[in-house]
Amino acid sequence: AQSVAQPEDQVNVAEGNPLTVKCTYSVSGNPYLFWYVQYPNRGLQFLLKYITGDNLVKGSYGFEAEFNKSQTSFHLKKPSALVSDSALYFCAVRDVYSSASKIIFGSGTRLSIRP
Amino acid sequence: EAGVAQSPRYKIIEKRQSVAFWCNPISGHATLYWYQQILGQGPKLLIQFQNNGVVDDSQLPKDRFSAERLKGVDSTLKIQPAKLEDSAVYLCASSHTGTGVRVYEQYFGPGTRLTVT
Repeated sequence: AQSVAQPEDQVNVAEGNPLTVKCTYSVSGNPYLFWYVQYPNRGLQFLLKYITGDNLVKGSYGFEAEFNKSQTSFHLKKPSALVSDSALYFCAVRDVYSSASKIIFGSGTRLSIRP
Repeated sequence: EAGVAQSPRYKIIEKRQSVAFWCNPISGHATLYWYQQILGQGPKLLIQFQNNGVVDDSQLPKDRFSAERLKGVDSTLKIQPAKLEDSAVYLCASSHTGTGVRVYEQYFGPGTRLTVT
């Protein structure tokens, strides 16, 4: 079965420090991987995706993610955290068994940036 | 471009009552999704439409949930009768259609928070 795991329910970082939000995946075949962010009382927003090519993917708001095939990971990173980055982050993977553009979301990690 | 619109934003009903949610996707997006997001969990796909046809409804509890997209644009999701465990945020999303990878970039509405008492 395909799945994504976000091992940390919450990540706390001081403003200006680098941040990492972890994600590991289990898929058959080549993975399509995604990160979405959810701000309070708002819907999810697409951040970035990995389909193929360079293992380091750059996305919105200065975020990037590193695809590591040997570790089956797709961690989200940012060199310098902002208080405004505080939100709920979801990792997702394409459902290869679906004929449609279906993606499966992880359980989410709450990122809290303290001033 | 205008985003995905949903209404109402909040709804409180008693168990066994019925409720309906409305979604208007981004103009030109033929693919529309309804998700259920229970507190502390990631969104779970309930149903996916392409134009007015159902592509995937494998996780829709069909004994109480129904959805339609009659003209291939707006969509409604209905619950009848509601149970306590239906308390959740119901998210609507839309995406480009085609064979390119942009089909996986979904644009979400603000959601409807349903409380069943």
